[in-house]
Amino acid sequence: QKEVEQNSGPLSVPEGAIASLNCTYSDRVSQSFFWYRQYSGKSPELIMSIYSNGDKEDGRFTAQLNKASQYVSLLIRDSQPSDSATYLCAVNLNRDDKIIFGKGTRLHILP
Amino acid sequence: DAGITQSPRHKVTETGTPVTLRCHQTENHRYMYWYRQDPGHGLRLIHYSYGVKDTDKGEVSDGYSVSRSKTEDFLLTLESATSSQTSVYFCAITWDKNSPLHFGNGTRLTVT
Repeated sequence: QKEVEQNSGPLSVPEGAIASLNCTYSDRVSQSFFWYRQYSGKSPELIMSIYSNGDKEDGRFTAQLNKASQYVSLLIRDSQPSDSATYLCAVNLNRDDKIIFGKGTRLHILP
Repeated sequence: DAGITQSPRHKVTETGTPVTLRCHQTENHRYMYWYRQDPGHGLRLIHYSYGVKDTDKGEVSDGYSVSRSKTEDFLLTLESATSSQTSVYFCAITWDKNSPLHFGNGTRLTVT
């Protein structure tokens, strides 16, 4: 089992709707979780980090963490065409200093 | 990205030749990471460093070596490049392992 798993998509969402992206991880003791956005040909850029169970909101973005179920999700409200990108989930493996990424989910916002 | 520079940005090399990629930071961050990105595989960790002369292997370390003799520089070496090492390589830094990574602009390496 890969340590961080994401559905590769593509996920197509109409403009203005909510996009929901999911990520599961295998290391139960992981403490730090990150969502990055990557446009084609560009470097990943941080959207949100989350460390505690529950929700964390930043503008149109909400990250949700459930450590008992070992998943972290990202909700994008009022989706815009500019949100079309690949979204990468990353997890810090607390047993060492590794930061492992999922394969990423391609999101396509339909105008 | 400000504070982190990868060089070269693009490189074409032949199978069997040695190649060194450089990551230079001006942020004085402790942690530095090398990833490769390939279609269908996302970002995969090659090697990382948690201090000067302190390095460890990642998920896909075979065929790669690294060195960190100064805080600001983290070198990735392909001892004998193979076509399977054609990829985009990203360097990333962070001051604390529980903090977000900041990425360089990437190096596109083609091995012919």
